Amino acid sequence: GENVEQHPSTLSVQEGDSAVIKCTYSDSASNYFPWYKQELGKGPQLIIDIRSNVGEKKDQRIAVTLNKTAKHFSLHITETQPEDSAVYFCAGGLFGNEKLTFGTGTRLTIIP
Amino acid sequence: SAVISQKPSRDICQRGTSLTIQCQVDSQVTMMFWYRQQPGQSLTLIATANQGSEATYESGFVIDKFPISRPNLTFSTLTVSNMSPEDSSIYLCSVDSTGGGGYTFGSGTRLTVV
Repeated sequence: GENVEQHPSTLSVQEGDSAVIKCTYSDSASNYFPWYKQELGKGPQLIIDIRSNVGEKKDQRIAVTLNKTAKHFSLHITETQPEDSAVYFCAGGLFGNEKLTFGTGTRLTIIP
Repeated sequence: SAVISQKPSRDICQRGTSLTIQCQVDSQVTMMFWYRQQPGQSLTLIATANQGSEATYESGFVIDKFPISRPNLTFSTLTVSNMSPEDSSIYLCSVDSTGGGGYTFGSGTRLTVV
């Protein structure tokens, strides 16, 4: 089955700087890679996703890049703000299939 | 996207007892999913619940321990049976809100077993 590894486990960034979280996956058949943000006491919230037919996707300050050859994908947050502080999870799987495999999470702290 | 209401939000239970968690969705969905998130850990799929059929459990999870009901297209329950301290976790329900895997999650049930 799929195995998703996520790094780093914790990340502290000065407000206004960029943050990058990286994930690798093992199953070359996987073609769908969402990212979730989980704030304290809440369920994970989908913030961006990418399918394997594209290499990059942007939504305002958030972008995700995918390298199919190397089987890794990354989340990029620019101009970080205090409200970006949360735990971020990557996931991988087959588009249209319910079985996503989640990474172990990255606790992002934005330092004012 | 779908809105999910999950109850209770938290509970402290005695070992050996059972807790039923409810998940209500504001729209009809084919499949509902139950996840466990152990303290400081990632999300692990427990089972997939389809209306009108038995739930499909992932490796390591069994129906006797985690019975699931799915009486209609907007509601599901997960019961954590004969609880032990190792069952202390956050339990989350989710649905596919985009038609392709972009899940919407409930706010979770934080369970502590003492």
